[in-house]
Amino acid sequence: EAQVTQNPRYLITVTGKKLTVTCSQNMNHEYMSWYRQDPGLGLRQIYYSMNVEVTDKGDVPEGYKVSRKEKRNFPLILESPSPNQTSLYFCASSSSGQMETQYFGPGTRLLVL
Amino acid sequence: DQQVKQNSPSLSVQEGRISILNCDYTNSMFDYFLWYKKYPAEGPTFLISISSIKDKNEDGRFTVFLNKSAKHLSLHIVPSQPGDSAVYFCAASSHGSGNTGKLIFGQGTTLQVKP
Repeated sequence: EAQVTQNPRYLITVTGKKLTVTCSQNMNHEYMSWYRQDPGLGLRQIYYSMNVEVTDKGDVPEGYKVSRKEKRNFPLILESPSPNQTSLYFCASSSSGQMETQYFGPGTRLLVL
Repeated sequence: DQQVKQNSPSLSVQEGRISILNCDYTNSMFDYFLWYKKYPAEGPTFLISISSIKDKNEDGRFTVFLNKSAKHLSLHIVPSQPGDSAVYFCAASSHGSGNTGKLIFGQGTTLQVKP
């Protein structure tokens, strides 16, 4: 089954404790992206990657890091989480020919205390 | 500054009737528009899209209309079914030079279809 998986689905942590949210896709997609969804703001892009070892900032990259060492994986790293990073996070992937038609993971709900 | 706006947070319609969801945008560089549907505890799923060279695109019960002069698009669902109850996000992108696949999303509209 073609899918994008994220782990964990739910996470409660404390300010400053480094965490990683994993994202994996099995569709051989070149393009991957991370979004956060906040009430009244829709989804906003954090980082994106157009292929292995090619990453770039989206609209709200502050406080986040990403890496793309393999085509299928695109982890999101919060080196020192803060309460304003409490949000619902989505990973997405798409083929390079149709980058806008993105397949989304189920989401990771993060609470930073 | 919100470049894509969905001014109606919610909409309720009766099963079998038409649902019309609206979206406005401000950036004239946007040339590709999409609608995504999201159920609770799931990620958004692609529903339908339209290029700026068209003013209408139809896929089964779903039709998207684009009015470029008004910078407005709408999604029509006919007939509406209870399974259509979800949050609908409008999104826009620019296919211009340096296309990065970046999507700008609206705030979302929650559609409830009553049996």
